Amino acid sequence: EAGVAQSPRYKIIEKRQSVAFWCNPISGHATLYWYQQILGQGPKLLIQFQNNGVVDDSQLPKDRFSAERLKGVDSTLKIQPAKLEDSAVYLCASSGPGLAGESPNTGELFFGEGSRLTVL
Amino acid sequence: GDSVTQMEGPVTLSEEAFLTINCTYTATGYPSLFWYVQYPGEGLQLLLKATKADDKGSNKGFEATYRKETTSFHLEKGSVQVSDSAVYFCALSDNAGNMLTFGGGTRLMVKP
Repeated sequence: EAGVAQSPRYKIIEKRQSVAFWCNPISGHATLYWYQQILGQGPKLLIQFQNNGVVDDSQLPKDRFSAERLKGVDSTLKIQPAKLEDSAVYLCASSGPGLAGESPNTGELFFGEGSRLTVL
Repeated sequence: GDSVTQMEGPVTLSEEAFLTINCTYTATGYPSLFWYVQYPGEGLQLLLKATKADDKGSNKGFEATYRKETTSFHLEKGSVQVSDSAVYFCALSDNAGNMLTFGGGTRLMVKP
């Protein structure tokens, strides 16, 4: 079974430019998360989707960050305009149950390798 | 709100040494507790979990016991290997929304 796919792996932009990250979750996983991981810190939740609806976006800086999951499958996270403090790894994760019929979700999240953003 | 506190690193050990990484949490209700590991160049992956008080999670020689009375979930391993070098994250889930709250991470470096 394929894991969570993310792209691009690396992105370097200048402040005030825009950037978009893409995530394809594990097939059939209804819940998708975007986390921000600043160097030396633990991941912080930005937004959680259940299918194509938003469950929690309380920590998403909505003046510059946006995310969508229009068809309830893959998702994009956009930053516009970027600031220096947005330099981080953006992690996408998903949780089941998936199409393989595994046990109902018990809180385990499956993470992609992340997209590393550097804002100059 | 919910929070997780874990010991700061880096933790540097010699091969075959005993490992303890402390983790305490603050949460309402009865969260599930997790340890995730991030090996160099790889994504976060689940190491072990415990879903109720007194449960012990174990995997790859690592263990952690859910202690409700001390709100702790310390990670232990009796004999570490160089390949255990990674960053370890303690986390909790409220079960309802399955959102994970992470601690700050502890870097472990094991020397031959």
